[in-house]
Amino acid sequence: NAGVTQTPKFRILKIGQSMTLQCTQDMNHNYMYWYRQDPGMGLKLIYYSVGAGITDKGEVPNGYNVSRSTTEDFPLRLELAAPSQTSVYFCASSSEGGLETQYFGPGTRLLVL
Amino acid sequence: RKEVEQDPGPFNVPEGATVAFNCTYSNSASQSFFWYRQDCRKEPKLLMSVYSSGNEDGRFTAQLNRASQYISLLIRDSKLSDSATYLCVVNPRSYKYIFGTGTRLKVLA
Repeated sequence: NAGVTQTPKFRILKIGQSMTLQCTQDMNHNYMYWYRQDPGMGLKLIYYSVGAGITDKGEVPNGYNVSRSTTEDFPLRLELAAPSQTSVYFCASSSEGGLETQYFGPGTRLLVL
Repeated sequence: RKEVEQDPGPFNVPEGATVAFNCTYSNSASQSFFWYRQDCRKEPKLLMSVYSSGNEDGRFTAQLNRASQYISLLIRDSKLSDSATYLCVVNPRSYKYIFGTGTRLKVLA
């Protein structure tokens, strides 16, 4: 009963380093999303995907890249980490984009120093 | 005007109290609405979808007012375990979901 899984749970990066946040879902959902949540703020959409091979930018895509080679996986790549990317990152999936429940992973806490 | 607006709170209420939250949205074409619950340092989890006719799930009642463009959440007989942040989520007729910043509820013993 895994649902949406994310790794790592926590990571400290130095400025300028790169990393990939992993997200996998086992519900055969077509729609997947990456959000970031800063303290006291709502979730902001970074990128989303409506199916394998199709991705699009959300509100705050700068500094990030995604790929969707399979239905299950939707990794988020941070290039040249900056302190402004310190945040909690949530991956989510849904069966119908915008109309159905989103299921969230447990999040990745990222600290950029 | 923000697409989705919520009173951030905190709402501090005693156990057993009834508390209500409102959430306003700006896009009149929005077609689906949800309330999510988020515990501290955890992922959001669906509390309930909000239907046009209103819906109830135990102590929780959700209402939609399309004319005034708001949704509401009523919690009756509050429990200590209801303490959390409640997120209003709206679909503005696209693949995306727009999240409010959340209303923080603290139920006091």
